[in-house]
Amino acid sequence: SQTIHQWPATLVQPVGSPLSLECTVEGTSNPNLYWYRQAAGRGLQLLFYSVGIGQISSEVPQNLSASRPQDRQFILSSKKLLLSDSGFYLCAWNDRQAYGYTFGSGTRLTVV
Amino acid sequence: QKEVEQNSGPLSVPEGAIASLNCTYSDRGSQSFFWYRQYSGKSPELIMFIYSNGDKEDGRFTAQLNKASQYVSLLIRDSQPSDSATYLCAVRGFKTIFGAGTRLFVKA
Repeated sequence: SQTIHQWPATLVQPVGSPLSLECTVEGTSNPNLYWYRQAAGRGLQLLFYSVGIGQISSEVPQNLSASRPQDRQFILSSKKLLLSDSGFYLCAWNDRQAYGYTFGSGTRLTVV
Repeated sequence: QKEVEQNSGPLSVPEGAIASLNCTYSDRGSQSFFWYRQYSGKSPELIMFIYSNGDKEDGRFTAQLNKASQYVSLLIRDSQPSDSATYLCAVRGFKTIFGAGTRLFVKA
């Protein structure tokens, strides 16, 4: 069966510090991978998606970036965090564009 | 701007009642419709999807889709306190757009 792992679960980082969140999927090949952010009381905002190794599409221009160095690995990064980067970050996957997502357990990021 | 609208709630229903959650969307080209359940502090979990007009039933859950009215709903029969959560509607046309969610509270 397929599983998705996301870490860390919580993170408190100072403004201006770097960020690296990692997500891996097991039990499938060539998944579509997504990074979402959920602010408190808000809907899910798509940040990046990838349909293959090295293929990244950005939905929101900001100080975040994403990479997919391996088929089932998706990384969200920032060189310098802003206060507004605080939120609940969710990695997700599906194997067809029309299918629903399976989400990772999420990372709650607080920038102080 | 493509949008998905949900009443934020909270929707409060007594245990055993039917909870009705509603969602409207603006993109007439939308083809796939999803309902996710999100417990407080947890990630969303897919509970229902529907592609065609009409009703789709899965256990206590029924999804209803009316493309002409651009309306999708989720009915939860025999509501239980464990159903208390935020329910997110997601609509996929060219992209998947999520609503902000409706908080449901089931009173024991």
